[in-house]
Amino acid sequence: DAGVIQSPRHEVTEMGQEVTLRCKPISGHNSLFWYRQTMMRGLELLIYFNNNVPIDDSGMPEDRFSAKMPNASFSTLKIQPSEPRDSAVYFCASSVLRGSETQYFGPGTRLLVL
Amino acid sequence: GENVEQHPSTLSVQEGDSAVIKCTYSDSASNYFPWYKQELGKGPQLIIDIRSNVGEKKDQRIAVTLNKTAKHFSLHITETQPEDSAVYFCAAHFGNEKLTFGTGTRLTIIP
Repeated sequence: DAGVIQSPRHEVTEMGQEVTLRCKPISGHNSLFWYRQTMMRGLELLIYFNNNVPIDDSGMPEDRFSAKMPNASFSTLKIQPSEPRDSAVYFCASSVLRGSETQYFGPGTRLLVL
Repeated sequence: GENVEQHPSTLSVQEGDSAVIKCTYSDSASNYFPWYKQELGKGPQLIIDIRSNVGEKKDQRIAVTLNKTAKHFSLHITETQPEDSAVYFCAAHFGNEKLTFGTGTRLTIIP
């Protein structure tokens, strides 16, 4: 099993630009989670999906952030426009809905907004 | 809302000694408690977990204990090795699909 796949692994962009982060969950997993990790705030849940449907987006910081899951094997997290305070490591995780609460994390995308 | 507190934030132990990290949670309905290890530049990886119907679980040098009455759980690492150096996160599952994470403990093993 390849595990959760995220791309890109590193992203450097300028303030105001659009950023798109991508995630491929583990095959057969039907829950997907997007987290943000910073030194100040730790690991924060941004949004999660069950069977491709967004269930809870209360962690999304503001309207500049949006997430989609068009099918069971792909999700995107988009920031438009990006700001320096969005600099963080963004993780995607997946799990089996109602089969196990165990979440498996991807390697993360390290985002730097200048 | 759900809250998980983790202590200490940093911990240094001599190689071969034991390390203990403690977490408390707020919601007595919590039923699942995983521990994750995060190495530099990597995502958190599950190392052990425990469910609310069990008081202790062990996997080689790693063990987790759960005290439901006091609402706290602990990670114990025995015979520590340099490769145990990492940041460790506890988490609690509160009956929905979400996990709430502690703030992390940076463990350093001194050779």
